[in-house]
Amino acid sequence: DAKTTQPNSMESNEEEPVHLPCNHSTISGTDYIHWYRQLPSQGPEYVIHGLTSNVNNRMASLAIAEDRKSSTLILHRATLRDAAVYYCIQIQGAQKLVFGQGTRLTINP
Amino acid sequence: DTGVSQNPRHKITKRGQNVTFRCDPISEHNRLYWYRQTLGQGPEFLTYFQNEAQLEKSRLLSDRFSAERPKGSFSTLEIQRTEQGDSAMYLCASSPTRPVTGVGELFFGEGSRLTVL
Repeated sequence: DAKTTQPNSMESNEEEPVHLPCNHSTISGTDYIHWYRQLPSQGPEYVIHGLTSNVNNRMASLAIAEDRKSSTLILHRATLRDAAVYYCIQIQGAQKLVFGQGTRLTINP
Repeated sequence: DTGVSQNPRHKITKRGQNVTFRCDPISEHNRLYWYRQTLGQGPEFLTYFQNEAQLEKSRLLSDRFSAERPKGSFSTLEIQRTEQGDSAMYLCASSPTRPVTGVGELFFGEGSRLTVL
């Protein structure tokens, strides 16, 4: 299964932007990058995904490096409700998500 | 609420007993997944269904575990002769075969927490 590498934890302040990095050096041309997050005591929820170009939605932005070996999830203005574990997932073929340990994001008031 | 529903939310059982969890996916979703999550770890894939067909099973799914989706709607996950190592959160997720937002958008339930004493 494809592996991604993320920092174990990150910390930021409320109302500031947050950049969550992910390395996926084994990515191939047809692999999508997906981000999910898991709030305390809840199941994971979809955040965003992309293939080659940068993507924006109401929750976040995804910046994918030109060589596609890394990406960054950007929360433009963090709130306390964004405190969660963020998972970066490299999708191969069929729709099966393989989660790593993710990055635990702490937001300080 | 039209999200993924899981029951029971919590189950405490003694070692050696059998337990069954139920998942009701979002109604138009053809794919249904089961994951297991232990404290501090990311969810681990167990199995998934396309309608009633079980298409993939993880090696984590020992012969004490069985999952069914008999009519392509709800699914059950049964654990026989439970062991303390089975204590975990069991997560169910569903997905349309052709998701609107692209490959792999899964909608997760809130999970069923199992504690084996």
